[in-house]
Amino acid sequence: AQSVTQLDSQVPVFEEAPVELRCNYSSSVSVYLFWYVQYPNQGLQLLLKYLSGSTLVKGINGFEAEFNKSQTSFHLRKPSVHISDTAEYFCAVSAGSARQLTFGSGTQLTVLP
Amino acid sequence: NAGVTQTPKFQVLKTGQSMTLQCAQDMNHEYMSWYRQDPGMGLRLIHYSVGAGITDQGEVPNGYNVSRSTTEDFPLRLLSAAPSQTSVYFCASSPTGGDNSPLHFGNGTRLTVT
Repeated sequence: AQSVTQLDSQVPVFEEAPVELRCNYSSSVSVYLFWYVQYPNQGLQLLLKYLSGSTLVKGINGFEAEFNKSQTSFHLRKPSVHISDTAEYFCAVSAGSARQLTFGSGTQLTVLP
Repeated sequence: NAGVTQTPKFQVLKTGQSMTLQCAQDMNHEYMSWYRQDPGMGLRLIHYSVGAGITDQGEVPNGYNVSRSTTEDFPLRLLSAAPSQTSVYFCASSPTGGDNSPLHFGNGTRLTVT
């Protein structure tokens, strides 16, 4: 069994400030890790994914995440946020295939002017 | 390219009524799935399909039926709606369902059961 914990349900941050959204997972097997973003009244879009290789993964819109196996974490970061980054962000883990994808409860990022 | 299309966008049902949520994709994806999204709980898998004629249950299948007669369509049926089924429903697809292919989501159906 696997699980995902997003430690913050709400993260307010001022425009142009850096942000980190935290994600921890647990699994008894090797996993693949994902971050999805959901803009208001839309479906989820893939932001970035870690399958193997370099532990630092770059995604769309200037976001990046680092896979830390020893701490079982996959935190999402952006050095300078924009108003348009306001959205809900979901961390997800898969041990084998799409049907085994487990989502976290989500973090609402609100960028303030 | 429409991607994944869900209809309707909003629906209100009374307890005991039935309805079908429609999902269609035009990307020739083999894998399709239905999720429900509830506050503070993320997305939970209801049913999925790895190809036409093949469906299986996800984490929360009770109260829902699905079928997959074509590659393009994957409708979700509520036979007797209950207030506990009030949620936002998302259909998602991917080329194969393997880990290298991301899920493509529709824009959701917001269902209220009174």
